[in-house]
Amino acid sequence: AQSVSQHNHHVILSEAASLELGCNYSYGGTVNLFWYVQYPGQHLQLLLKYFSGDPLVKGIKGFEAEFIKSKFSFNLRKPSVQWSDTAEYFCAAISAGKSTFGDGTTLTVKP
Amino acid sequence: EAEVAQSPRYKITEKSQAVAFWCDPISGHATLYWYRQILGQGPELLVQFQDESVVDDSQLPKDRFSAERLKGVDSTLKIQPAELGDSAMYLCASSLLDEQYFGPGTRLTVT
Repeated sequence: AQSVSQHNHHVILSEAASLELGCNYSYGGTVNLFWYVQYPGQHLQLLLKYFSGDPLVKGIKGFEAEFIKSKFSFNLRKPSVQWSDTAEYFCAAISAGKSTFGDGTTLTVKP
Repeated sequence: EAEVAQSPRYKITEKSQAVAFWCDPISGHATLYWYRQILGQGPELLVQFQDESVVDDSQLPKDRFSAERLKGVDSTLKIQPAELGDSAMYLCASSLLDEQYFGPGTRLTVT
């Protein structure tokens, strides 16, 4: 069965720290990968996406993610987090038209 | 900016009652998704439409849940009868080329 795993359930960082959130997927064929963010009181919105091409993709608000096919991974990174990055982050995959989300990582950034 | 609309935003119902949720996707988006999200978990796909056709309802509890998208535009998700375990956030999303746009969700509480 298709699945998406996010390793960290809750991450706490101080402002200016670097961020890396792990995401692994289990698909054998072509897969489109996404990171979504949900800020407190808001609905899910797209941070970035990977369909093909350059495995390093850049999204909004300084986020980036790297697709590593050999590791079935699509980790999210940000070199320096801000208090406003406090939110829940979801990794998602679509393969053969089927959409699957991970269970999310709650990021808390301390000022 | 176009948005996915959902109503109601909140619904409290008693066990064994019927409940319905409505979603209006972004104009032109052929694909519509209904998800259920339990606190602490990621969105779980219930049903996916391509225009008016169901393309995936493998996770929809069909003994009590039904969904329709009669004219290929807006959609309704119904639960009858509601059970305590149905308490969750119900999310609707629409997409163009796999990039999903989410509505604000309907928070269902079954008492």
